[in-house]
Amino acid sequence: DQQVKQNSPSLSVQEGRISILNCDYTNSMFDYFLWYKKYPAEGPTFLISISSIKDKNEDGRFTVFLNKSAKHLSLHIVPSQPGDSAVYFCAASGNQFYFGTGTSLTVIP
Amino acid sequence: EAGVAQSPRYKIIEKRQSVAFWCNPISGHATLYWYQQILGQGPKLLIQFQNNGVVDDSQLPKDRFSAERLKGVDSTLKIQPAKLEDSAVYLCASSPTHRNTEAFFGQGTRLTVV
Repeated sequence: DQQVKQNSPSLSVQEGRISILNCDYTNSMFDYFLWYKKYPAEGPTFLISISSIKDKNEDGRFTVFLNKSAKHLSLHIVPSQPGDSAVYFCAASGNQFYFGTGTSLTVIP
Repeated sequence: EAGVAQSPRYKIIEKRQSVAFWCNPISGHATLYWYQQILGQGPKLLIQFQNNGVVDDSQLPKDRFSAERLKGVDSTLKIQPAKLEDSAVYLCASSPTHRNTEAFFGQGTRLTVV
């Protein structure tokens, strides 16, 4: 049973534009959410997180939005850069981390 | 600060053979995780340690997988005997807290069972 879902396997965006990656979850008891970035042949790298008591967290070009009523979170990257091309995983935290299946982002120069 | 170290990076074995993976977490991190990531899927937790005690091993196939964390630092994950469906990347992660609010991953070990 997939408790965290990323329904878009891939996304392509022009350099300089906004990238929006989406994630849905099913368990309302999750209290912390994270985004990881993964390059080929490397482990996931922590990007940004948000507590369930907040609805927005911003770090430079990266902003995570949380909509608890919809059980939805999104990652916004503005402006997108070619170096942002990677697979992005969202994760939700309860008694353990639950990961989505990832979205492959390609930023086109 | 050194990151999470894992070895080997790659391993190819025949089915029914055994294999072991090693992980050295970030210094001072009390929590250590082992994840299995099958191609096209997100990481799935196999086992979580808090110091040298097991917090969660509910998804570890205990008939063939085992893990230990002696002295609360390094950890090994073993598969014996391996099956074809064990082909995956095995990721080790560590965290300074026990609250599952952050985890830092190693580069992983890619296992191919033929």
